[in-house]
Amino acid sequence: GENVEQHPSTLSVQEGDSAVIKCTYSDSASNYFPWYKQELGKRPQLIIDIRSNVGEKKDQRIAVTLNKTAKHFSLHITETQPEDSAVYFCAASNGGSQGNLIFGKGTKLSVKP
Amino acid sequence: DAGVIQSPRHEVTEMGQEVTLRCKPISGHNSLFWYRQTMMRGLELLIYFNNNVPIDDSGMPEDRFSAKMPNASFSTLKIQPSEPRDSAVYFCASHISNRGLGEQFFGPGTRLTVL
Repeated sequence: GENVEQHPSTLSVQEGDSAVIKCTYSDSASNYFPWYKQELGKRPQLIIDIRSNVGEKKDQRIAVTLNKTAKHFSLHITETQPEDSAVYFCAASNGGSQGNLIFGKGTKLSVKP
Repeated sequence: DAGVIQSPRHEVTEMGQEVTLRCKPISGHNSLFWYRQTMMRGLELLIYFNNNVPIDDSGMPEDRFSAKMPNASFSTLKIQPSEPRDSAVYFCASHISNRGLGEQFFGPGTRLTVL
């Protein structure tokens, strides 16, 4: 089955700097890669996703890149702000239509003012 | 839309007691997922349903855990008997699978403490 590895587990940056979180997946049939943000004590919420037919997607300060050949994808946050501090999870679909996702272990991002 | 609804939000119980967690998915969604989140193990998929049918329960830790989905608007996760190591936040999420790939919407979670 699918396995998703996520690095780093913790990341600390200064406000205004960029942050990059990387994930690798094992199943070449995976074709959907969402990123979720979980603030302390809250539920995970989707912030951006990418499908396997594109290599990059941007939404304001966040972007996701996908390298299907290498089976890895990354989240990029530019001009970080204190409110970006949270745990970020990457995930990959197993190719089924039922929406099942395999999640990475998460990255705790701290943005220092 | 009220989103995914879970109850109770917090549950404190003693070891050996039965615990029942409840979830109401978003109306019209036909896939439902139960997750457990701990610091040590992260976000673990326990079981998921599609059109009320259990599809994959390989993440259910042991026979003490059971889940049901009697209809499209309600699901339960039961732990009997509960143990301290079951303490975690349990999330329910729903998805509309007839539109193919897409977002899972998470409920607010139930924080379970087993003493």
